[in-house]
Amino acid sequence: DAGVTQSPTHLIKTRGQQVTLRCSPKSGHDTVSWYQQALGQGPQFIFQYYEEEERQRGNFPDRFSGHQFPNYSSELNVNALLLGDSALYLCASISGLAGATSTDTQYFGPGTRLTVL
Amino acid sequence: GNSVTQMEGPVTLSEEAFLTINCTYTATGYPSLFWYVQYPGEGLQLLLKATKADDKGSNKGFEATYRKETTSFHLEKGSVQVSDSAVYFCALAGNNRKLIWGLGTSLAVNP
Repeated sequence: DAGVTQSPTHLIKTRGQQVTLRCSPKSGHDTVSWYQQALGQGPQFIFQYYEEEERQRGNFPDRFSGHQFPNYSSELNVNALLLGDSALYLCASISGLAGATSTDTQYFGPGTRLTVL
Repeated sequence: GNSVTQMEGPVTLSEEAFLTINCTYTATGYPSLFWYVQYPGEGLQLLLKATKADDKGSNKGFEATYRKETTSFHLEKGSVQVSDSAVYFCALAGNNRKLIWGLGTSLAVNP
């Protein structure tokens, strides 16, 4: 049973560029959330996708956008990169937003380390 | 809004010492509470969770009890090992399942 996978592992970009990160959820999961973890900080919620729609969004600018595909995989896109976007980007998956409760466990991928120079 | 306050680190202990990492929360409704662990160079792994008041989560010798009266979810282990060296995060989730995180506590265990 494959867990959550993310690609690439590491990425180096320059200011102003655009980046796309990818996530495949754990088998049986249909909801994907993205988090940004700056060095030495806790993760910050970016947004959550279910049924190919953004369902919730954290306090991130519109430069951050996403997509979910029919196979439940997801992409995170960041435009006009800033130095402050350097962070570990984590994807988490969970099953079934319908009937959601707080008790379900989110499973995390290993993350993509983005460095903006 | 919901928030999590976690004991600041770093925490340095000798092997076999007792560990406590404090976590308190502010939340509306009845959130679930989690401890995640992040080993060096790795992603986040669920360590334990508790989903209602007075529940005790436990795993790998770690325990935490959901205390609604004190809005706390302190992590404890009776005897730490070098392999427990990692960053520990306390988090809560409401019915929207958006995780709200503490800042993390770095633990270093010396042999």
